[in-house]
Amino acid sequence: GENVEQHPSTLSVQEGDSAVIKCTYSDSASNYFPWYKQELGKGPQLIIDIRSNVGEKKDQRIAVTLNKTAKHFSLHITETQPEDSAVYFCAASQGFGNEKLTFGTGTRLTIIP
Amino acid sequence: DAGVIQSPRHEVTEMGQEVTLRCKPISGHDYLFWYRQTMMRGLELLIYFNNNVPIDDSGMPEDRFSAKMPNASFSTLKIQPSEPRDSAVYFCASSLRGSTEAFFGQGTRLTVV
Repeated sequence: GENVEQHPSTLSVQEGDSAVIKCTYSDSASNYFPWYKQELGKGPQLIIDIRSNVGEKKDQRIAVTLNKTAKHFSLHITETQPEDSAVYFCAASQGFGNEKLTFGTGTRLTIIP
Repeated sequence: DAGVIQSPRHEVTEMGQEVTLRCKPISGHDYLFWYRQTMMRGLELLIYFNNNVPIDDSGMPEDRFSAKMPNASFSTLKIQPSEPRDSAVYFCASSLRGSTEAFFGQGTRLTVV
């Protein structure tokens, strides 16, 4: 089955700086890669996603890049703000986009004011 | 819509007791997922349903775990008998076929003592 590895497990960044979280996946059949943000006491919430036919996608301060050859994808957050502090999960799927998501182990991001 | 609703939010039970977790998916969604979150193993998919039918239960850890979806608006995850190692946060999520986003509930924090 699919295996998703995520690094780093914790990340502290000065407010205003950029944060990068990286993931690798094992199943070449995976074609959908979402990123979820989990705030304290809440369930994960989708923040951005990318499909395998696209190399990069941006949404305001958030961007995701995908390298299918190397089987890795990354989340980039620019101009970080205190409200970006949360746990971020990458995931991979080969279904219609949400069937059997395999999640990474998460990255706890802390933004230092 | 109120989103995915899970109950109870917190459950403390003694080892050996039966525990039932409940989930009401978003109206109209035809996929329902049960996940378990622990520090050690992250987010694990336990089972998912499509149109009330279980599609993949390979993540269910043991026969002590069972899940049902008697109708499109209700699902249960039952643990009988419960053990301390079952302590975790259990999430329910739902999605719509053709959509790429899974919506998570706020989770049930289960503690087995």
